[in-house]
Amino acid sequence: QSALTQPASVSGSPGQSITISCTGTSSDVGGYNYVSWYQQHPGKAPKLMIYEVSNRPSGVSNRFSGSKSGNTASLTISGLQAEDEADYYCSSYTSSSAWVFGGGTKLTVL
Amino acid sequence: QVQLVQSGSELKKPGASVKVSCKASGYTFTSYAMNWVRQAPGQGLEWMGWINTNTGNPTYAQGFTGRFVFSLDTSVSTAYLQISSLKAEDTAVYYCARDNGSGSFHPWGQGTLVTVSS
Repeated sequence: QSALTQPASVSGSPGQSITISCTGTSSDVGGYNYVSWYQQHPGKAPKLMIYEVSNRPSGVSNRFSGSKSGNTASLTISGLQAEDEADYYCSSYTSSSAWVFGGGTKLTVL
Repeated sequence: QVQLVQSGSELKKPGASVKVSCKASGYTFTSYAMNWVRQAPGQGLEWMGWINTNTGNPTYAQGFTGRFVFSLDTSVSTAYLQISSLKAEDTAVYYCARDNGSGSFHPWGQGTLVTVSS
């Protein structure tokens, strides 16, 4: 199972919005609504930010939103803040009854 | 609160074995599956597989068969990852992560760094 494709890096200024894409196939992202997004700060464990494509867990800021179109899922962060600077990973369930992660995207807040 | 606490860092020589523990608290251990995820230095997350905490049946991802074993001790709400015949390329942080029942992993353990070096 190949990793999902994410851009290696994205950047934005405080207050701006950014979007991170996550591209898979019809056997994973496109075939299931089990797409989730994780935030990971350096030296820390990943934290769930979005589940089932667009749902936010309790306690996660509403500045984070998710969507999906075809084989590509997206994470949008609005009103960028310095604390949002981190690595972001998408994940999807697959037709092989397995899970696959994206390669990760480093978000830099300028 | 729901929490996963993993055992501490390990330094092992090539060919040795290591057993990482993941102790759950704040919920009924056998109600949620447990996943294991590897993160090599400077690299991304890699799903290793999962274990059904009700039946003890493990499922391993491609590339994690043979030397990797998932196990449980439900009496102490703990999941284990054992890696045998360690190689330098096994050096990584290993995370346990609860299957949230919604196609996602939450929470995660704090991670256990396993270093394999002679």
